[in-house]
Amino acid sequence: GESVGLHLPTLSVQEGDNSIINCAYSNSASDYFIWYKQESGKGPQFIIDIRSNMDKRQGQRVTVLLNKTVKHLSLQIAATQPGDSAVYFCAENKGAQKLVFGQGTRLTINP
Amino acid sequence: NAGVTQTPKFRILKIGQSMTLQCAQDMNHNYMYWYRQDPGMGLKLIYYSVGAGITDKGEVPNGYNVSRSTTEDFPLRLELAAPSQTSVYFCASSYAHNEQFFGPGTRLTVL
Repeated sequence: GESVGLHLPTLSVQEGDNSIINCAYSNSASDYFIWYKQESGKGPQFIIDIRSNMDKRQGQRVTVLLNKTVKHLSLQIAATQPGDSAVYFCAENKGAQKLVFGQGTRLTINP
Repeated sequence: NAGVTQTPKFRILKIGQSMTLQCAQDMNHNYMYWYRQDPGMGLKLIYYSVGAGITDKGEVPNGYNVSRSTTEDFPLRLELAAPSQTSVYFCASSYAHNEQFFGPGTRLTVL
């Protein structure tokens, strides 16, 4: 069965605000997570990843937080822009690069 | 580099027909993958390959076959199409355990 799941199927934010997309996982032994962005009609695109030996990792305008105690991770997007509109997936890497995807959160940006 | 390319973009099949979805990558990646994405859902792994001549089942392999005769190509074969195989199919590739790059997808409808 699914081992990662997202909390909300949709999220609307105002342009310029920060967005937070959440994801929970069930296996406490899980040690590698990846966030993907999927724009309409396209394949997923890698955003950022994090391994279990880290609590936080930052990229350009994005931050991923991993809370192993409650088995939760989040993707934070700073100063959300119209180009950030997409479906965001968290995925668990279960070894040999086998990815298990959550259902996704559709992020909508309001002008 | 073209990256990961997939053909066709769209296809409608009748129940019982067969077809091959083509996937090619020009990044010299050793790992390649096939996923399917049903509406409103995350991607599910069908088959993957860690190198030419080596393939293995993913989460949902039933009804599909693959081959990997070259590093560049990883075709997915549907022998007896069924309505349950209506989906969007994504091919991806990666260099060992690094990030996966996805193709644009093939939208398949089985009627």
